[in-house]
Amino acid sequence: SQQGEEDPQALSIQEGENATMNCSYKTSINNLQWYRQNSGRGLVHLILIRSNEREKHSGRLRVTLDTSKKSSSLLITASRAADTASYFCATDHRGEGAQKLVFGQGTRLTINP
Amino acid sequence: DAGVTQSPTHLIKTRGQQVTLRCSPKSGHDTVSWYQQALGQGPQFIFQYYEEEERQRGNFPDRFSGHQFPNYSSELNVNALLLGDSALYLCASSFGGAGGQPQHFGDGTRLSIL
Repeated sequence: SQQGEEDPQALSIQEGENATMNCSYKTSINNLQWYRQNSGRGLVHLILIRSNEREKHSGRLRVTLDTSKKSSSLLITASRAADTASYFCATDHRGEGAQKLVFGQGTRLTINP
Repeated sequence: DAGVTQSPTHLIKTRGQQVTLRCSPKSGHDTVSWYQQALGQGPQFIFQYYEEEERQRGNFPDRFSGHQFPNYSSELNVNALLLGDSALYLCASSFGGAGGQPQHFGDGTRLSIL
């Protein structure tokens, strides 16, 4: 079964508001990554947070990781219409020889102008 | 700097046929992973190729096979196509074959099975 599970499945907010998406996973990880996917396109890497990190920032993005709760959150501040997309968390598993990312089902984010 | 390129972009096949999808990794990358993404779902890992060998495989039947060439490009082959194989097939590349780094994705091949 897939490790990452995003919550909520869909989120609709007004431009300028903040958007928060959550991800939970089941077993130990090396790192957790967030990706964005615009409709019909490939995935774009947003941010990677390692298992020994608790918070990471990149521009308007803030990611937190709580390994004790096996959860992560992605915060997008001051949202823009261009942020409309699906967002996926992906877990990179501890102990695996190769890099196998396990994705959740994603959060569909809609930014209303 | 060329990113990950996949071909073809769209493909229509009928049940029982065979298909080959192609991927060229981002310049400087030597590792290619393949994912299947059904409509409305997250991508699912099929397998990864590094040094021309399959290093890890997800929960996919043997109908799914692949190959990596000396120039690091890769092919995904699917035999005896089923309706359930309809999906977006994504290729991702990285360097070194190990974990701990972002993967760079192509825009995928949309495969439709009639």
